[in-house]
Amino acid sequence: GEDVEQSLFLSVREGDSSVINCTYTDSSSTYLYWYKQEPGAGLQLLTYIFSNMDMKQDQRLTVLLNKKDKHLSLRIADTQTGDSAIYFCAGASGTYKYIFGTGTRLKVLA
Amino acid sequence: NAGVTQTPKFRVLKTGQSMTLLCAQDMNHEYMYWYRQDPGMGLRLIHYSVGEGTTAKGEVPDGYNVSRLKKQNFLLGLESAAPSQTSVYFCASGAVDSPLHFGNGTRLTVT
Repeated sequence: GEDVEQSLFLSVREGDSSVINCTYTDSSSTYLYWYKQEPGAGLQLLTYIFSNMDMKQDQRLTVLLNKKDKHLSLRIADTQTGDSAIYFCAGASGTYKYIFGTGTRLKVLA
Repeated sequence: NAGVTQTPKFRVLKTGQSMTLLCAQDMNHEYMYWYRQDPGMGLRLIHYSVGEGTTAKGEVPDGYNVSRLKKQNFLLGLESAAPSQTSVYFCASGAVDSPLHFGNGTRLTVT
C-alpha cells in the first residue's frame, strides 16, 4: 500500500543547514506537505509543493521534489534552536486520503 | 480564527471507564479525522469522516467509536478504556486539494 518514509532523527549545529528527507510510494500524490510539531503542540503546516513543481522556496525553507525517485526534501537554512521539533511529510492525492511519514526529530545544537 | 478545537486537553481515566473527545472546526471542511500519536509510531489514523453523517474506519479503529452528526463536529468515544489507549489524540479537518488543519491534541492517560 501507500507509504511515506522518513529518517527518525537529525542533529545539526545552530547556523548550519538542515535537510530532512522523505520518500513516498504513491505516485498519484497531487500535493506534498511539510508539517512541524513542537513539543506539546499539534502539527502546523510549514509549506507544501504541488506535484508538477520541482522546487519551492519560502524564506529559509526550500522544498525539492524529485518525482522520478519519489523523493521529497525540506532544507532549512541557518537553522536556529527554535527549529528543534518533529517534522512530518505527507502526501495527498486530491481525495480525503492523506498519508503521513513517521516524522523526523530535528535537534539543533547551540 | 479558532480553526480546529479539541476538548479536553488532558484526561486521566481508570481502566473500564468511558469518555468522549470533542473536535470542532469552523472552516466548513468536509473531511475530519482522528489520529493517535505514540512515541516512535508517528500518526495512526483511528477513524475519519468524509461528510456529515458518514464515518469510516482507519488503521487502528478497535476500541473506539465516532460520530459526525453535525458537519463542524467529530466525536471520538472510548466505551471501555484500556491502558493501551494511553496516547495523544489529534483531530484534523480538511478539504479537497487543501492541507489538513490539526487541533492541539488531547493527552489521555488510562491507569
